[in-house]
Amino acid sequence: AQSVSQHNHHVILSEAASLELGCNYSYGGTVNLFWYVQYPGQHLQLLLKYFSGDPLVKGIKGFEAEFIKSKFSFNLRKPSVQWSDTAEYFCAVTPGYSSASKIIFGSGTRLSIRP
Amino acid sequence: GAVVSQHPSWVICKSGTSVKIECRSLDFQATTMFWYRQFPKQSLMLMATSNEGSKATYEQGVEKDKFLINHASLTLSTLTVTSAHPEDSSFYICSAHRQGGTDTQYFGPGTRLTVL
Repeated sequence: AQSVSQHNHHVILSEAASLELGCNYSYGGTVNLFWYVQYPGQHLQLLLKYFSGDPLVKGIKGFEAEFIKSKFSFNLRKPSVQWSDTAEYFCAVTPGYSSASKIIFGSGTRLSIRP
Repeated sequence: GAVVSQHPSWVICKSGTSVKIECRSLDFQATTMFWYRQFPKQSLMLMATSNEGSKATYEQGVEKDKFLINHASLTLSTLTVTSAHPEDSSFYICSAHRQGGTDTQYFGPGTRLTVL
């Protein structure tokens, strides 16, 4: 069965620190990869996605992620975090060629930024 | 951008009653919608895939007779929690797949269900 693993349950950083959140998936075929963010009290928002092409994907709010097929990884990065980045981050995958497939979510990483 | 709404945003009901939650795509048509459940401090778990005009596909372990899904139009899917019990208390989130263009799923704001 397909699965998504997020290694960090809770990450605490100071403002301006660099961020990298790990994500690995298990699926042998073609996948679409996503990072979603859920700010406190708000609904899920798409940060970025990878369908094909350049494995380095840039998203909103200065986030980026790199798809490394050989490692089955799709880590999220940001060079300098802000207090407003405090949120829950979910890595997700849809097997197949279309995002109409069901989304499989990782367990989430809670990011806390100290002012 | 694409907007998905859910109604109600929160609901409190007595044990044994049924609750209907609506999911609407406001500015696009969605042939496929998904229903998720999120427990506190946990990830989203897919409950079922809802296809317009056909029966929903339920994930393993989800009771289809308890969680009734109806996708009657290209902009509306409903989830009815029948004979609700306190263990059904959770955050229910829908998403709608927008075809073409960005080919992305858009999530609703969620519905908080509390069963007393």
